[in-house]
Amino acid sequence: DTAVSQTPKYLVTQMGNDKSIKCEQNLGHDTMYWYKQDSKKFLKIMFSYNNKELIINETVPNRFSPKSPDKAHLNLHINSLELGDSAVYFCASRPSGGYLNEQFFGPGTRLTVL
Amino acid sequence: KQEVTQIPAALSVPEGENLVLNCSFTDSAIYNLQWFRQDPGKGLTSLLLIQSSQREQTSGRLNASLDKSSGRSTLYIAASQPGDSATYLCAVRGGNQFYFGTGTSLTVIP
Repeated sequence: DTAVSQTPKYLVTQMGNDKSIKCEQNLGHDTMYWYKQDSKKFLKIMFSYNNKELIINETVPNRFSPKSPDKAHLNLHINSLELGDSAVYFCASRPSGGYLNEQFFGPGTRLTVL
Repeated sequence: KQEVTQIPAALSVPEGENLVLNCSFTDSAIYNLQWFRQDPGKGLTSLLLIQSSQREQTSGRLNASLDKSSGRSTLYIAASQPGDSATYLCAVRGGNQFYFGTGTSLTVIP
């Protein structure tokens, strides 16, 4: 009955590699997000998808590309990984509009780039 | 640009005490404010959501208040328990942007 799930939970990889992180939500929400939490625990929004359309793209490198095959999934693909990409990446979702527009977060993916 | 600050950064209290966590934001044009807790190595769990038109929300031992005009929110935890130990984050929503504070790390000592 997991609401927002992410895979993998841990990812260790070498600099220069390309990797993907998957996110799925079974809440029927219209909007999904990717956040990056750095070593100082600061959370910063990276992307937002609403009905398969990118509506926010914060100043992240174009090596990061979100891919949404359908409303329930928002995957994060990262090309040419760099040391500074090491962080915990969180996926989140929320319903669009309405009174109850809380965000629900996934458990996070800890990415370590060596 | 919206900036969200949480004070204190860390707090340690004995079990049973009531406590207040603070969150301040620079731009009062927000849709809502949400409080989360984050356990070590875990994701974020939503605690309370206050819409911009509301003054407070309550859930069990938690009470969150919002003073939009002064850019402040507080999270009140009554009768703290060791299980309350976690990092507490507030986030404000402006449009489709969410801005998080840096969190308050709470330790409740048995």
